[in-house]
Amino acid sequence: DVKVTQSSRYLVKRTGEKVFLECVQDMDHENMFWYRQDPGLGLRLIYFSYDVKMKEKGDIPEGYSVSREKKERFSLILESASTNQTSMYLCASRTPGQGNRGEQYFGPGTRLTVT
Amino acid sequence: KNQVEQSPQSLIILEGKNCTLQCNYTVSPFSNLRWYKQDTGRGPVSLTIMTFSENTKSNGRYTATLDADTKQSSLHITASQLSDSASYICVVNRGGNNRLAFGKGNQVVVIP
Repeated sequence: DVKVTQSSRYLVKRTGEKVFLECVQDMDHENMFWYRQDPGLGLRLIYFSYDVKMKEKGDIPEGYSVSREKKERFSLILESASTNQTSMYLCASRTPGQGNRGEQYFGPGTRLTVT
Repeated sequence: KNQVEQSPQSLIILEGKNCTLQCNYTVSPFSNLRWYKQDTGRGPVSLTIMTFSENTKSNGRYTATLDADTKQSSLHITASQLSDSASYICVVNRGGNNRLAFGKGNQVVVIP
């Protein structure tokens, strides 16, 4: 069974703190993704990674960075958390697939609150 | 402008009834379209995938249709159950670079 895990389900941080969100997949997938999900906006791509040490900006990368030191682990970093980064954060891992049929498997999400 | 529009935004249905959710997209190019189900507080889970040449796909009580000419898709839920209460998200794959276009979801509530 495919498994994507995220380090925390709920997290509360203060403005200005550095925040690490961890994601681990056990499927040896090369592609991993970080999204945020907000009411009325749907999922938006923050960053993704093709392979170890490879990363590419998504649609809303401002205020975030990522790290992919090992294939199974993809970390999202908020260098200085702000209240507008309060959101649900979803990690995904993608199966290889011909013609882009590869499926993205999502983790359970981390609900981050910045106060 | 969002490239994937879903309607209705929310829906309340009685247990046992059928319902149909709509997805219209303007995404181009088009590679495939998936419907995901997202339970409250959980990550989305894929229900169906359809490519350009497929116009219907079933997964149990869920049946998705695709009209690539009009760029419309629908998800039909048959004989709804309380466990069908969730958000249903339409996702279009533009191909290449792993870029997906997400709808905002149809929120379905099934009541006994």
